[in-house]
Amino acid sequence: AQKVTQAQTEISVVEKEDVTLDCVYETRDTTYYLFWYKQPPSGELVFLIRRNSFDEQNEISGRYSWNFQKSTSSFNFTITASQVVDSAVYFCALKDSNYQLIWGAGTKLIIKP
Amino acid sequence: EAGVTQSPTHLIKTRGQQATLRCSPISGHTSVYWYQQALGLGLQFLLWYDEGEERNRGNFPPRFSGRQFPNYSSELNVNALELEDSALYLCASSLGDSLAKKIQYFGAGTRLSVL
Repeated sequence: AQKVTQAQTEISVVEKEDVTLDCVYETRDTTYYLFWYKQPPSGELVFLIRRNSFDEQNEISGRYSWNFQKSTSSFNFTITASQVVDSAVYFCALKDSNYQLIWGAGTKLIIKP
Repeated sequence: EAGVTQSPTHLIKTRGQQATLRCSPISGHTSVYWYQQALGLGLQFLLWYDEGEERNRGNFPPRFSGRQFPNYSSELNVNALELEDSALYLCASSLGDSLAKKIQYFGAGTRLSVL
């Protein structure tokens, strides 16, 4: 069965610190897609990244970077030099042959000034 | 380009009433998804519509229903409201989801409060 685990319920750091959000997934499929979304206090989920199972290259976008490791079934998200505006709930999700997004429980990130 | 729009932003109902939530997808998107996000809980998948047809539904009772119109907009109806239906209801749209890779884009949600 498919499953996404975000073990960190809440993380609190001081501004400018680096922070990593963990995501571990389970699926029997060889082809699947992984996603990260951000949900700020306004409530709207904002798409951040999609990664397919055949592309294990790490991705960097500004202060954001993602580390995909198939060997450990992990797709971790790192924010470098965090800012107060990064405060949000971050969700990791998996989509495989069932075509339905399987969501993690989310990690609430608090960036203190 | 307009994103996914949802209305109303807030909705207050009493137990036993019916609620109707509306969603307009991004232009060109044919798939619409509905999710429930109750306080303290994660995202629970409700319904998926594509090309006017219901493609899948989550583990919710039949009093949660919906439809998709020819212009691809969608309605979510919740009958016989219960207190535990209070939640943020999120709508997402994507291009026709024939492939798992399609990205879902979300609206700002409708916050339903049942008193």
